[in-house]
Amino acid sequence: DQQVKQNSPSLSVQEGRISILNCDYTNSMFDYFLWYKKYPAEGPTFLISISSIKDKNEDGRFTVFLNKSAKHLSLHIVPSQPGDSAVYFCAAAVGGATNKLIFGTGTLLAVQP
Amino acid sequence: DTAVSQTPKYLVTQMGNDKSIKCEQNLGHDTMYWYKQDSKKFLKIMFSYNNKELIINETVPNRFSPKSPDKAHLNLHINSLELGDSAVYFCASGPTDSNQPQHFGDGTRLSIL
Repeated sequence: DQQVKQNSPSLSVQEGRISILNCDYTNSMFDYFLWYKKYPAEGPTFLISISSIKDKNEDGRFTVFLNKSAKHLSLHIVPSQPGDSAVYFCAAAVGGATNKLIFGTGTLLAVQP
Repeated sequence: DTAVSQTPKYLVTQMGNDKSIKCEQNLGHDTMYWYKQDSKKFLKIMFSYNNKELIINETVPNRFSPKSPDKAHLNLHINSLELGDSAVYFCASGPTDSNQPQHFGDGTRLSIL
């Protein structure tokens, strides 16, 4: 029973364009959502998060949108850069980020120069 | 000045052996975690400790035993290794503030022959 789903295993985008990564969840108790970025042979690195009391959080080139009614969140990267090429994991938690994180299966983003 | 460090990075061993993976964090965090990423890339929590106390214990075989000598260390001991234990194991740590993210180590790739 996968509570957090990333239905696109991969995404290819041209440098300078927008990358949109999507994530859906089924558990309405989730109240904290995070995006992690992962390079090969490294651990996930925190990118950006959002609490369920907000619908948008922005940090530089990265913006996360949360649509609670649709149980959907997305990560926008603008403009995309070749260094953004990595696997992006969506994660969700009940009661805050210190509780257990439920991860999606990841989306491999390739930014073409 | 690695924040969350795990050793070894690679571990190749025979079925039936007992092995340990060590994890240390220098972030001053109160909570530490073990996650397992299997061959299908699912990243799932196994355990979490807060100030040396076990907080989360998912349905993990009791061949897996975490040990936390102090809040900066969380080691994972695995007895009687089985083929299905082959995976990448990630250690993470997080602060008490529930709005702060967990930080991950670079993982230990365990291969059972």
